[in-house]
Amino acid sequence: NAGVTQTPKFRILKIGQSMTLQCTQDMNHNYMYWYRQDPGMGLKLIYYSVGAGITDKGEVPNGYNVSRSTTEDFPLRLELAAPSQTSVYFCASSYGGSGNTIYFGEGSWLTVV
Amino acid sequence: AQTVTQSQPEMSVQEAETVTLSCTYDTSESNYYLFWYKQPPSRQMILVIRQEAYKQQNATENRFSVNFQKAAKSFSLKISDSQLGDTAMYFCAFMRSGGGADGLTFGKGTHLIIQP
Repeated sequence: NAGVTQTPKFRILKIGQSMTLQCTQDMNHNYMYWYRQDPGMGLKLIYYSVGAGITDKGEVPNGYNVSRSTTEDFPLRLELAAPSQTSVYFCASSYGGSGNTIYFGEGSWLTVV
Repeated sequence: AQTVTQSQPEMSVQEAETVTLSCTYDTSESNYYLFWYKQPPSRQMILVIRQEAYKQQNATENRFSVNFQKAAKSFSLKISDSQLGDTAMYFCAFMRSGGGADGLTFGKGTHLIIQP
């Protein structure tokens, strides 16, 4: 019962570096999401995807890119890391939208120094 | 756009007591869904309870129940017989109906502490 799996769990980046957060789900969910959670705040949507080949921006997309080549995988790319991107990142998935439960990964802690 | 407001940054109660967490939201949608998620220190997001706005009956899940007041746009969570394991951040969240592809809109959370 893997569910939503994110890697890495922890990462320290230097300003200007790039990296990719990996996310995979084994529930055959068509919808996938990336959220970020800043200290003392709720989660904010970065990008989402309703199926392979289809992605769209959420509330806070600047500085990130995504792709969805398969149903299972939804990687998040950080280009030119900035201290403002220090956060906890959550990948999530659901079977469709419209009220269906969204399942979350365990989070990835990213620090940009 | 939707907004979700949780006005209690932190609450503390004794074990076995009942506690109510508040949540209000603002939306122009008529059909939507509301959720409470629990986030323990491990940071895992765990679904506690789900409410469909078109249903008048309040959702319940064991010791957890909600008081959904659609006209007042209020969605509070009641935890009965609180346990030490209930200590966590609790987030209220909103999802539009009719697709929901843009996921959940979260409040800032309430830190609930259960004292022994």
